[in-house]
Amino acid sequence: DVKVTQSSRYLVKRTGEKVFLECVQDMDHENMFWYRQDPGLGLRLIYFSYDVKMKEKGDIPEGYSVSREKKERFSLILESASTNQTSMYLCASSSGQGSYQPQHFGDGTRLSIL
Amino acid sequence: SQQGEEDPQALSIQEGENATMNCSYKTSINNLQWYRQNSGRGLVHLILIRSNEREKHSGRLRVTLDTSKKSSSLLITASRAADTASYFCATDSGGYQKVTFGTGTKLQVIP
Repeated sequence: DVKVTQSSRYLVKRTGEKVFLECVQDMDHENMFWYRQDPGLGLRLIYFSYDVKMKEKGDIPEGYSVSREKKERFSLILESASTNQTSMYLCASSSGQGSYQPQHFGDGTRLSIL
Repeated sequence: SQQGEEDPQALSIQEGENATMNCSYKTSINNLQWYRQNSGRGLVHLILIRSNEREKHSGRLRVTLDTSKKSSSLLITASRAADTASYFCATDSGGYQKVTFGTGTKLQVIP
């Protein structure tokens, strides 16, 4: 079974801090994704990556950056955390090209910015 | 922008009943997927239906797709308490693996 592991289930940070969320997958998937999930808004794509060192902006990239130095690891960075970035963050991975492959999700990081 | 909109937003049924959730979308798609999310967990892929398919089955799940109406439905037959979860549709929105998720239907199955 594919396993996507997010480094923290819960995280509390202060405004202005630089925050790192880590995600690792063990199935050699080419594609990795970061979403945030808020009540009533569903999942919104922040960034995705289809190869090492490659990244594409999603629908809400402002205030975030990403890093993919190794195929199995995809990091989400909040450059200067703000309270409106309090949310559930979900990482996912998938194989192959095109949109026909299912995405495999981690269990999420619930991030609170105080 | 949201591509898929699920209906209803919440649904409560008795164990053993069938549950039907609907998804409407705005632009043409190549495929549509359904996912389940248990409380506090990540999403789990359930089923994918391609635009040239009208119906697909997987165990107690039945998915239909009507591209002329830009809508899909997910039917869970003989529901169980363990089916309690949120259900999301996801449509491909162009380019690589990018998909767009709807806002979800929260299903409660009462034992």
